[in-house]
Amino acid sequence: GQSLEQPSEVTAVEGAIVQINCTYQTSGFYGLSWYQQHDGGAPTFLSYNGLDGLEEKGRFSSFLSRSKGYSYLLLKELQMKDSASYLCAVVDSNYQLIWGAGTKLIIKP
Amino acid sequence: NAGVTQTPKFQVLKTGQSMTLQCAQDMNHEYMSWYRQDPGMGLRLIHYSVGAGITDQGEVPNGYNVSRSTTEDFPLRLLSAAPSQTSVYFCASSTDGSSGANVLTFGAGSRLTVL
Repeated sequence: GQSLEQPSEVTAVEGAIVQINCTYQTSGFYGLSWYQQHDGGAPTFLSYNGLDGLEEKGRFSSFLSRSKGYSYLLLKELQMKDSASYLCAVVDSNYQLIWGAGTKLIIKP
Repeated sequence: NAGVTQTPKFQVLKTGQSMTLQCAQDMNHEYMSWYRQDPGMGLRLIHYSVGAGITDQGEVPNGYNVSRSTTEDFPLRLLSAAPSQTSVYFCASSTDGSSGANVLTFGAGSRLTVL
């Protein structure tokens, strides 16, 4: 079967760094993506990792270890506007996305 | 530059009624898909299409039909609504569905309640 696990909620302080983890088990793997979703809004693409290692995009970075079935999203210099849910999704052997339930990031001033 | 447009944004149905959720994109994307999102669960794929005239089932296709007569439009039909179909529905598109780096652009969502 295929499954993704993410913590349901993470709390952090404005200006700090936070890491959101995602572990997965899939029969086929063609990469892992991260999306951001604000309450009542649509998911928007943040990053994609096809190979092991770190991908950096401004304040956001994403890491992948295929041997461990593990990824994390790192957010630096947190701002209140970063309060949202963060969804990880793996690409399966049919090139379709299998989604985790999402992690709600709560940022305190 | 509209992107992905979904209508309606909100809809209330009675059990047994049928309806169509509309989805249109103006980005000339080949790949289009429909997801439902329920509390505590990940997005689940209902149906998808890799081009005009081609559709395929996703993880939860029962009770839904789709068609893709043009590149731009991908309507989702609920044949006989049930309370279990109460959900938020998202349409999404991308340049093509044959790549791991398949970056989806989502519509704003349609919130459906079935009484």
